[in-house]
Amino acid sequence: DQQVKQNSPSLSVQEGRISILNCDYTNSMFDYFLWYKKYPAEGPTFLISISSIKDKNEDGRFTVFLNKSAKHLSLHIVPSQPGDSAVYFCAAREYGNKLVFGAGTILRVKS
Amino acid sequence: DVKVTQSSRYLVKRTGEKVFLECVQDMDHENMFWYRQDPGLGLRLIYFSYDVKMKEKGDIPEGYSVSREKKERFSLILESASTNQTSMYLCASSFGGSVSYEQYFGPGTRLTVT
Repeated sequence: DQQVKQNSPSLSVQEGRISILNCDYTNSMFDYFLWYKKYPAEGPTFLISISSIKDKNEDGRFTVFLNKSAKHLSLHIVPSQPGDSAVYFCAAREYGNKLVFGAGTILRVKS
Repeated sequence: DVKVTQSSRYLVKRTGEKVFLECVQDMDHENMFWYRQDPGLGLRLIYFSYDVKMKEKGDIPEGYSVSREKKERFSLILESASTNQTSMYLCASSFGGSVSYEQYFGPGTRLTVT
């Protein structure tokens, strides 16, 4: 059973608009969350993270929101750019340095 | 700048062959990981290691083994390759402790077993 779920396989957004990628988790012991971006034929690269003691973390155009009571986090990209088109993975720290990843969401930003 | 390299970008092997995938990191990271990525399933952890000669099973270790003889190198071994092991294999590394849980990934090896 997947502990980290990204229920939208894909998302299409117009350039300049907001992209919102969602992630749900089931394990209330998760205490650290990360977002990764992956281009075809490359390894995932780290985007942004958030500790469970916070509810928001911002880095430039990227903001991650955490709602612990709902076991939900989201990644907002504003404004979206064509270069943001990639697969986005949500991950959660299970224990030690072990991460559990979601299935990924394909983001397409149309120009 | 952290660099994680993998020995091959593309590999084609026959069923029953023994396959070695090599990964090297240059940041003196304590932890190293092997994942496979499949459509609709995301990244699934096969094995990880938090120190030289130490290893721990991930979520899908069946059919795989690993070796870590040096801190910078982590090898994934498919003892007898099968077609259901056709996948993208990703290696990653990270610092030990709780400074940051960020993992740095290599470019991946696309393995096809025929």
